[in-house]
Amino acid sequence: QSALTQPASVSGSPGQSITISCTGTNSDIGSYKFVSWYQQHPGKAPRLMIYEATKRPSRVSNRFSGAKSGNTASLTVSGLQAEDEADYYCCSFASGSTWVFGGGTKLTVL
Amino acid sequence: QVQLQESGPGLVKPSETLSLTCIVSGISVNTYYWSWIRQPPGKGLEWIGYINYSGRTTHNPSLGSRLTISIDTSMNQFSLKLSSVTAADTAVYYCSRVDGIIQSFDYWGQGILVTVSS
Repeated sequence: QSALTQPASVSGSPGQSITISCTGTNSDIGSYKFVSWYQQHPGKAPRLMIYEATKRPSRVSNRFSGAKSGNTASLTVSGLQAEDEADYYCCSFASGSTWVFGGGTKLTVL
Repeated sequence: QVQLQESGPGLVKPSETLSLTCIVSGISVNTYYWSWIRQPPGKGLEWIGYINYSGRTTHNPSLGSRLTISIDTSMNQFSLKLSSVTAADTAVYYCSRVDGIIQSFDYWGQGILVTVSS
């Protein structure tokens, strides 16, 4: 069970959009719709931002959106705000009723 | 509202067993699935294992036979035991609720730092 692959860091200016990719395999992202994304601010617990690859909990801003194609998922944050600066982790349900996380991406708002 | 709270020792000696409990309030552990996730200092999240209300478990293969997850419905809590710990097991340990329909971790505890050191 290898970790999903994410870029270590991305950055953007306020108001811009950024996209974080998450690459897996046929045993995880490629086989299940159950990709989720989590936001984590320093010293805090992660927070669910996207589930089932494209759906957003009602309490999450519509500036956050997700997509999935084949073995790759992505998270887009539009209209960047200072409060979006955080670490973001993708996660996929995988074979054997297990889960695997990505290595995490640090989003910097310039 | 749903709340999860990890409890246990913050320091464990190498080769000993790390034991943590997650106390759940606001919902019965009989109605959802539950999971443990950890994060070594300065590193990413690692899924540890899962248990459902009937006691079925799955775990990260990398932990082999060191891991035991159990559930106590009478106390509304679930637990983690990790044996033969080394410094590599030093991490913040989170308990979380698993929504079994969307297979996502929708509620998290605040996390507890466990350091493995003599």
